[in-house]
Amino acid sequence: DTAVSQTPKYLVTQMGNDKSIKCEQNLGHDTMYWYKQDSKKFLKIMFSYNNKELIINETVPNRFSPKSPDKAHLNLHINSLELGDSAVYFCASSQQGNEKLFFGSGTQLSVL
Amino acid sequence: GENVEQHPSTLSVQEGDSAVIKCTYSDSASNYFPWYKQELGKRPQLIIDIRSNVGEKKDQRIAVTLNKTAKHFSLHITETQPEDSAVYFCAASQGSNSGYALNFGKGTSLLVTP
Repeated sequence: DTAVSQTPKYLVTQMGNDKSIKCEQNLGHDTMYWYKQDSKKFLKIMFSYNNKELIINETVPNRFSPKSPDKAHLNLHINSLELGDSAVYFCASSQQGNEKLFFGSGTQLSVL
Repeated sequence: GENVEQHPSTLSVQEGDSAVIKCTYSDSASNYFPWYKQELGKRPQLIIDIRSNVGEKKDQRIAVTLNKTAKHFSLHITETQPEDSAVYFCAASQGSNSGYALNFGKGTSLLVTP
């Protein structure tokens, strides 16, 4: 009964491919996020959704397209993968009115 | 937007010693300052947080101090143990509305040697 679960845990793919990462939370939270952690461990916000609406988009290339079918799910689709996209992608959730973030276990993306 | 600076990037201490990690932030509207611990290969997890109306908060061996005037806050770990070895991130946020996200510092890799 993991609170924030994301799949897959590992993703190895070739440059130019399109891939998706899925995230689901069972905490009843109304806000979900995608963070990117690069090889130097820097955690950077990419997107934030509140009740299925995009709230934050931090100058992420439009090859990245988040989709939130409902407030418990936030998926990330990446087109035309590049070497620089290699990183660990963390999904997270929180409840409006409470800043505490609950992170998923991360997806390690390797673009070859 | 908010810019959070964190120092040092690496810290090595002997077991039993204290460790201090410092952060500064740029946006005076920030009012929430959490600290996250990330063990190797794991997810970041909240260990302690402080709000702008409080100057200090303590939880067993961990304490956080905040100086709003100087826009800096610090994490103090006393009586360090090998299991404290991890990457620690500070963060700052303007609040809990959905329009604000946590902006993280670049992390401090703490190594506690027996």
